Amino acid sequence: DQQVKQNSPSLSVQEGRISILNCDYTNSMFDYFLWYKKYPAEGPTFLISISSIKDKNEDGRFTVFLNKSAKHLSLHIVPSQPGDSAVYFCAASAVSGANNLFFGTGTRLTVIP
Amino acid sequence: DAGVIQSPRHEVTEMGQEVTLRCKPISGHNSLFWYRQTMMRGLELLIYFNNNVPIDDSGMPEDRFSAKMPNASFSTLKIQPSEPRDSAVYFCASSLEGGYNEQFFGPGTRLTVL
Repeated sequence: DQQVKQNSPSLSVQEGRISILNCDYTNSMFDYFLWYKKYPAEGPTFLISISSIKDKNEDGRFTVFLNKSAKHLSLHIVPSQPGDSAVYFCAASAVSGANNLFFGTGTRLTVIP
Repeated sequence: DAGVIQSPRHEVTEMGQEVTLRCKPISGHNSLFWYRQTMMRGLELLIYFNNNVPIDDSGMPEDRFSAKMPNASFSTLKIQPSEPRDSAVYFCASSLEGGYNEQFFGPGTRLTVL
């Protein structure tokens, strides 16, 4: 059963606008969340993370928001750039699982110039 | 740093054949992970090793799948016999053990079983 869900398989956004990618999880033991970015023919690369003790983490144009009560997190990209076009994977981990990550199915973001 | 190295990058084989995927983790990393990417399930963890020891293989789909890590710099994922439903991209990743250390992924092996 999928413990991390990304319900939007794709998203298209105009360059310069905000991109919002969503992720839901079911396991209340998850306490660390990550976003990975994947270009075609490459492996995923780490983008940004957030611990459950925070509700927001910002890194340049990328901000991740965590709503623990709703078991929901989101990635905001502002402003979106054509180079951001990629597949974005949400992942979660629990302390008890060491560094075992549970990934979602991914959202393909297309930023239109 | 060369990053995580996987070979081959592409593999096309016929149903029933044995397939071996290879991975060289980043030097100094002591955790290694094998993932499979499919449209339906995204990135699934198949197995992971800490210090060359398999820790969790609950994601290995069937007995047809096996993985080994004979030393700190090499791991294999073997499928025998292969089936068309095994067609997917297989990723290897490595990290430092424990905590929330970032996993670094290889470029993947695209497997097609005809």
